[in-house]
Amino acid sequence: AQSVTQLGSHVSVSEGALVLLRCNYSSSVPPYLFWYVQYPNQGLQLLLKYTSAATLVKGINGFEAEFKKSETSFHLTKPSAHMSDAAEYFCAAYGGQKLVFGKGTKLTVNP
Amino acid sequence: EAQVTQNPRYLITVTGKKLTVTCSQNMNHEYMSWYRQDPGLGLRQIYYSMNVEVTDKGDVPEGYKVSRKEKRNFPLILESPSPNQTSLYFCASSFGRYEKLFFGSGTQLSVL
Repeated sequence: AQSVTQLGSHVSVSEGALVLLRCNYSSSVPPYLFWYVQYPNQGLQLLLKYTSAATLVKGINGFEAEFKKSETSFHLTKPSAHMSDAAEYFCAAYGGQKLVFGKGTKLTVNP
Repeated sequence: EAQVTQNPRYLITVTGKKLTVTCSQNMNHEYMSWYRQDPGLGLRQIYYSMNVEVTDKGDVPEGYKVSRKEKRNFPLILESPSPNQTSLYFCASSFGRYEKLFFGSGTQLSVL
């Protein structure tokens, strides 16, 4: 069964610093991978999706993620954090018919 | 506006009192799903539906029921709620199984 592991339940960065949120998946078949963001008191919205067309996927708000099959990873990055990036981020992957979410990483951005 | 609408936004109830959380989407999506979100556990799928009259269990279906009589609606039914079902619930929909999910705003349920 597919599983998704997000390393670090809380990440804190300074405004302008690099954001790196880690995600590893377990699957022997090419997965369908997603990053979603949840702002306070809102539902989740899609940041980006891996489609197998390219290993580097660009998403909204300056985020991108790199698919590394050899490491079974799909880490999310942003070169320069903004205060508005403070939110909870979820990595998700399809294993068969079910979409499995990681436990989430809460990002804090300090001024 | 394309959206997934859940109601109610907040609900406080007592153990054993049947309740229904409604979910409706206006995007003609075939795939709909229910998740619960608990601190430290992320989102876990309760039930999903590939199309009208087609539903299947997710990872945590116990204590829940769903129905998909119309394409746009996918209500979640708790026939006898218990305190361990206190959680934040999200409905989501998409054009297909592997497509982008559109989420509702959530329903915060407290079962006393």
